[in-house]
Amino acid sequence: AQKITQTQPGMFVQEKEAVTLDCTYDTSDQSYGLFWYKQPSSGEMIFLIYQGSYDEQNATEGRYSLNFQKARKSANLVISASQLGDSAMYFCAMRERRGASTLTFGKGTMLLVSP
Amino acid sequence: EAGVVQSPRYKIIEKKQPVAFWCNPISGHNTLYWYLQNLGQGPELLIRYENEEAVDDSQLPKDRFSAERLKGVDSTLKIQPAELGDSAVYLCASSPGLASDEQYFGPGTRLTVT
Repeated sequence: AQKITQTQPGMFVQEKEAVTLDCTYDTSDQSYGLFWYKQPSSGEMIFLIYQGSYDEQNATEGRYSLNFQKARKSANLVISASQLGDSAMYFCAMRERRGASTLTFGKGTMLLVSP
Repeated sequence: EAGVVQSPRYKIIEKKQPVAFWCNPISGHNTLYWYLQNLGQGPELLIRYENEEAVDDSQLPKDRFSAERLKGVDSTLKIQPAELGDSAVYLCASSPGLASDEQYFGPGTRLTVT
């Protein structure tokens, strides 16, 4: 079974609108971390946001927030007020305690922001 | 602060030829990772170093792939001989240590094997 599932191959959003990118995960660990990375066409993976499994509040970083629903094992990324520069691939990833610091990535979602 | 540096950015080789990729992590970062990213997929770990020790190389195809991190700083990933299926992006990342959650990625090397 896939550990990280991103069901949206592509998403479109208009500039200034909010968009939600879905991510569900599978783990039997009690302690784990969830990450979102952005990969523009230049290829570099850019860290966006982190949520620990024991964090009671949803993580926020500027225009990024993580909608963490532990019982449903989902960790959706919300981007508010989309900008043209947000167009990129977005990857959800998980670090399980058993795997030490290794990250397991999903297949990604391509986000296109239109004017 | 300089980020993770990788070279070359692009490499085109014929199958059966050898190829090497180089990575310079962020200064002070003890942990170094090599990832393979196929087209349309997320990165997959090849090998992880803690200082100069390879602590997780279970996904590294050891018949043709090798890696080293002498002196616990720079690292080199080698493929010999390359196959058509090795065409992908090879990403290097580093983090300060086991306690750190965030990994910092380099721009990657895009390999095309013809």
